[in-house]
Amino acid sequence: EAGVAQSPRYKIIEKRQSVAFWCNPISGHATLYWYQQILGQGPKLLIQFQNNGVVDDSQLPKDRFSAERLKGVDSTLKIQPAKLEDSAVYLCASSLNSRGGYTFGSGTRLTVV
Amino acid sequence: KQEVTQIPAALSVPEGENLVLNCSFTDSAIYNLQWFRQDPGKGLTSLLLIQSSQREQTSGRLNASLDKSSGRSTLYIAASQPGDSATYLCAFSGGGADGLTFGKGTHLIIQP
Repeated sequence: EAGVAQSPRYKIIEKRQSVAFWCNPISGHATLYWYQQILGQGPKLLIQFQNNGVVDDSQLPKDRFSAERLKGVDSTLKIQPAKLEDSAVYLCASSLNSRGGYTFGSGTRLTVV
Repeated sequence: KQEVTQIPAALSVPEGENLVLNCSFTDSAIYNLQWFRQDPGKGLTSLLLIQSSQREQTSGRLNASLDKSSGRSTLYIAASQPGDSATYLCAFSGGGADGLTFGKGTHLIIQP
């Protein structure tokens, strides 16, 4: 089966600019997650979707981050305006259900200068 | 709030040794445990999944165990190879949320 697709692979922007990341989960996976991984740390959950509804966005900095999952398939994560501390790898994952394990994409490495 | 600790943070050993990576967690109300491997600049590759009703899983040279009562999981790597060099992350889901809570990882180097 095809894996979780993410784009772009790399992005360099200046602070205060905006950026968007795209994720296409495994076909049939109802649950989609966005994680932020800062260098040397484990991934941290930003937002979880069940189909096209938000289940958990308690750790999403809502003043600058937003995410949507239209039609319950693809998802986009946006940062506006970006700060230097947003430099990280942004990982998308999907799962069939909470007991079935998670599959991660290759991630988008964001550098804010 | 679930907290996950991985020990050691880094490990460097000669090829051929058997290894144990440790992971501890604070909340025993978990749905499942998953071990991942992350190569530099890459995403996460799932290695083993242990559901809450299970105690261990095996895949090739890898064996993972889960002891909920003590709040521990271990990943055992037999006959290590240079290709095993990577960062190994453990993660738990549970406590009413499906999202994974990760440790910081163990950076493993296998010397040829």
